[in-house]
Amino acid sequence: GESVGLHLPTLSVQEGDNSIINCAYSNSASDYFIWYKQESGKGPQFIIDIRSNMDKRQGQRVTVLLNKTVKHLSLQIAATQPGDSAVYFCAEHQLRGGTSYGKLTFGQGTILTVHP
Amino acid sequence: DGGITQSPKYLFRKEGQNVTLSCEQNLNHDAMYWYRQDPGQGLRLIYYSQIVNDFQKGDIAEGYSVSREKKESFPLTVTSAQKNPTAFYLCASSFSNYGYTFGSGTRLTVV
Repeated sequence: GESVGLHLPTLSVQEGDNSIINCAYSNSASDYFIWYKQESGKGPQFIIDIRSNMDKRQGQRVTVLLNKTVKHLSLQIAATQPGDSAVYFCAEHQLRGGTSYGKLTFGQGTILTVHP
Repeated sequence: DGGITQSPKYLFRKEGQNVTLSCEQNLNHDAMYWYRQDPGQGLRLIYYSQIVNDFQKGDIAEGYSVSREKKESFPLTVTSAQKNPTAFYLCASSFSNYGYTFGSGTRLTVV
């Protein structure tokens, strides 16, 4: 039978507010983390990344924080705009022993809605 | 401009029919990937290829097949053995472990 879609976490903010989207990752051996933005009917778009030897990385209007102790990742968006409305995914990368390329595992996603 | 092109954007499959989704990249990336996305869920890895003429199964490979005859191309066939194929399919490529680029996706529907 057809699977029932899960209800994604949602975050609603007003235009101009700061947004914080959280993600818990599963593998303590993950060495690299990426945040993607996905608009309806489109492929994921890279926002920002961070390697496991860092705690914080800043981009334009976005900041990613990594807490390896509790395996937690967050994305902060400053001065959120209506164009930021989308589904946001975190992804963790795990190297495979003896191979050149690893595996990217995606979280479930969070729906961000920005109200004008 | 370099990028990944997926076609078609929309695809309809009859019960028991095989269909092939196209993925082409001109980024000179070595690795290519296929992901499946169901409503309200994240992406799940179907197959990936690190080099021409070589590919490995991902987490949900059953009912799918791939080929990698050229560096630029990584087509995905959804076979009749895939009992629930309706989903959004995404192709990606990377030049290393740290640079993934995604295509715009193909939405497959069983009719």
